[in-house]
Amino acid sequence: ETGVTQTPRHLVMGMTNKKSLKCEQHLGHNAMYWYKQSAKKPLELMFVYSLEERVENNSVPSRFSPECPNSSHLFLHLHTLQPEDSALYLCASSHLQGPNSGNTIYFGEGSWLTVV
Amino acid sequence: GQQLNQSPQSMFIQEGEDVSMNCTSSSIFNTWLWYKQDPGEGPVLLIALYKAGELTSNGRLTAQFGITRKDSFLNISASIPSDVGIYFCAGHGSGNTGKLIFGQGTTLQVKP
Repeated sequence: ETGVTQTPRHLVMGMTNKKSLKCEQHLGHNAMYWYKQSAKKPLELMFVYSLEERVENNSVPSRFSPECPNSSHLFLHLHTLQPEDSALYLCASSHLQGPNSGNTIYFGEGSWLTVV
Repeated sequence: GQQLNQSPQSMFIQEGEDVSMNCTSSSIFNTWLWYKQDPGEGPVLLIALYKAGELTSNGRLTAQFGITRKDSFLNISASIPSDVGIYFCAGHGSGNTGKLIFGQGTTLQVKP
């Protein structure tokens, strides 16, 4: 139990579907992240939210739409995805203290997404 | 941009052996983290390092933050079958967006 909870753990969706991934952190952190993990690739940072404001968007296609309604919740809205978007999507959180301070992030268990 | 090189890519060892893996960076980091990921799960934090030269242990695991701030290693002593998994290093440089750079991972297999 890492204090970061993701739902659903597994999701199968068609290319025309609209679905959402949900993440909740119980650690009192002020930053939340979405990462994508594909087979045989390093973890790819998708989005960073700090104090509910998006501070990083790593050229992610618009078919992925993040939402951070408060510091404890993060969503990833999915629509018209492609089969190559199938991957493990990891949510994470951390307590950002400043530009030169250490940043330790804690991951959720991930949501396995399969696009058919 | 910043890059991390993690080696080795994979290891296949006998139970009881010691293991060593390392990461090197093209630039200076302020934080080094080591994670382990089991199949189908998210990465779990093993050790966090915040100061150059810092040496930290967590049970049979030991990690060090290199003096140059451009490298780190992780050692596992007396490996056991449950050590199997993928080990990732990650580093955080300057900047306040919290962006971590991850290594490619080291896949460890332990033969009983």
